Amino acid sequence: GAGVSQSPSNKVTEKGKDVELRCDPISGHTALYWYRQSLGQGLEFLIYFQGNSAPDKSGLPSDRFSAERTGGSVSTLTIQRTQQEDSAVYLCASSTQGGETQYFGPGTRLLVL
Amino acid sequence: GEDVEQSFFLSVREGDSSVINCTYTDSSSTYLYWYKQEPGAGLQLLTYIFSNMDMKQDQRLTVLLNKKDKHLSLRIADTQTGDSAIYFCAERFSFSGGYNKLIFGAGTRLAVHP
Repeated sequence: GAGVSQSPSNKVTEKGKDVELRCDPISGHTALYWYRQSLGQGLEFLIYFQGNSAPDKSGLPSDRFSAERTGGSVSTLTIQRTQQEDSAVYLCASSTQGGETQYFGPGTRLLVL
Repeated sequence: GEDVEQSFFLSVREGDSSVINCTYTDSSSTYLYWYKQEPGAGLQLLTYIFSNMDMKQDQRLTVLLNKKDKHLSLRIADTQTGDSAIYFCAERFSFSGGYNKLIFGAGTRLAVHP
């Protein structure tokens, strides 16, 4: 079946602009995660959604970052007033509730000029 | 605290075995994972081991877990050029309600040369 998909695959934007990144999880997966991977670094947890529960936003680096998950499926990560340090690969993952494994999408490569 | 550490780089000759090491700090983790990331791609799950196991073998991959030393290793037998990638170690923490959080290391860059 289809895996996790993300769009766009690449995004170049100017400093100060807002961007939206999209994630389509695997069908039936109730848990959805966003991570950020800066150049040469590991993955930094950003936010977690599980079903209808309140999301865990503890990893969001600033109030310029927000995320929504509509209908328990598609999620959008929004970065307002982008800064150059926001340049990174943003990865989305999904899993079943309590599932052993998180499955990752290909990521969105964001470059803020 | 939660922290996962890996060496930054490993170079091996094609056909040799590769051993990638990882240390973690929190003994309450439930599963430990190895992910592979090829250039420009997302993360691909390679294998994982439950925290009450010592070893897991899957074709060319062998995972060893030393819980006492909080040390995890991934051995790749007969390393091929296609194995060149970044390998991430991750530990999982489980919370109530089915919430699982992964803590990743910074990744080990494996270079395979002829």
